Amino acid sequence: AQKITQTQPGMFVQEKEAVTLDCTYDTSDQSYGLFWYKQPSSGEMIFLIYQGSYDEQNATEGRYSLNFQKARKSANLVISASQLGDSAMYFCAMREEYSQGGSEKLVFGKGTKLTVNP
Amino acid sequence: GAVVSQHPSWVICKSGTSVKIECRSLDFQATTMFWYRQFPKQSLMLMATSNEGSKATYEQGVEKDKFLINHASLTLSTLTVTSAHPEDSSFYICSAKGRRNYYEQYFGPGTRLTVT
Repeated sequence: AQKITQTQPGMFVQEKEAVTLDCTYDTSDQSYGLFWYKQPSSGEMIFLIYQGSYDEQNATEGRYSLNFQKARKSANLVISASQLGDSAMYFCAMREEYSQGGSEKLVFGKGTKLTVNP
Repeated sequence: GAVVSQHPSWVICKSGTSVKIECRSLDFQATTMFWYRQFPKQSLMLMATSNEGSKATYEQGVEKDKFLINHASLTLSTLTVTSAHPEDSSFYICSAKGRRNYYEQYFGPGTRLTVT
């Protein structure tokens, strides 16, 4: 069974500083994908970044980067130059593929609430 | 691109009634749609996966007779909560996956259901 662990229930960061949100995962699959989503108070899930297990380079998307350490099974999200609008819940998720039917599902961690202080 | 809508955005219903929630992919064909439930201050839990034209696959512990899912077309999936009870009150989010991007699911804005 897969498991996503986010050990930080809440994080605080000063505006314009960088922050790292932790995520570790547990899987026996060789092929998997890792995601980070942002969920503001409105509830929508906003895709931030994706890392495939075979990707050799860490994924980056603007101010977001994923620090992928495969041997340690960690996929931490780094947000640079934090903005007030970054205050939200952040979820790490892993894509699991079913062996039958060709379908898949996302397994989410419990989330980290990030607060950016002015 | 890749916009997913949900309707309604919120609904209040009385215990014992049924509620239908729609999920639409507006600018792409969704080969697979997913339904999640999120209780306050908790994570998203997958309820079921539906492929167009076939029966939905429900996660363990999800009552298929209570949460009816219909994926009628490549752009529409519906979730019907039958005989709703207060414990069904939750935030329901759908997501859709198309052919363009093999890994990404596009999420709808969610529907907040309150059963009184």
